[in-house]
Amino acid sequence: QQQVKQSPQSLIVQKGGISIINCAYENTAFDYFPWYQQFPGKGPALLIAIRPDVSEKKEGRFTISFNKSAKQFSLHIMDSQPGDSATYFCAASIDNNDMRFGAGTRLTVKP
Amino acid sequence: DTEVTQTPKHLVMGMTNKKSLKCEQHMGHRAMYWYKQKAKKPPELMFVYSYEKLSINESVPSRFSPECPNSSLLNLHLHALQPEDSALYLCASSQHRGGFYGYTFGSGTRLTVV
Repeated sequence: QQQVKQSPQSLIVQKGGISIINCAYENTAFDYFPWYQQFPGKGPALLIAIRPDVSEKKEGRFTISFNKSAKQFSLHIMDSQPGDSATYFCAASIDNNDMRFGAGTRLTVKP
Repeated sequence: DTEVTQTPKHLVMGMTNKKSLKCEQHMGHRAMYWYKQKAKKPPELMFVYSYEKLSINESVPSRFSPECPNSSLLNLHLHALQPEDSALYLCASSQHRGGFYGYTFGSGTRLTVV
């Protein structure tokens, strides 16, 4: 049973464009929503995270938008660069326990 | 030191072998995790250790046996594995269970069972 649903499965964006990845969840007990970036042959790396009492969080070119009533959250990558090409996972946990991951989005940024 | 170190990076083992995966962190984290990741799939939680005690076992087959000898070290002992157990095994740590700290992952051990 997938607890966090992620879309799209893959995404191709031109350099300088905006990449948008969406996630939805059902369990309203989730209280921590991180995004991870994974390059081939590497483990996931924490990119940015948000708690449900905040609607938006920005760190550099990366922004999380959070809609508590819709139980959805999204990652926006502004000015996308070829170096951003990676697989992105949204995740959710309750009190930082038992992190559950979405299915992943393979992002390709074309030069 | 802000890393989780996993060894070996690659491992090929036969179905009758016994091997161990090792994970080490020196960030003072008190929660450590084992995840399994198949190709093009998300990481799947296997085990959670909190303050060196096993707190979650996600119904993992007994051919996988975790061990946490101390707060910095986490092992995964493997015995009589099947070819379908071939995957990337990831170790992660966080400050402790609870709170909002996120997980730090190692680069994983690429396991191939032949």
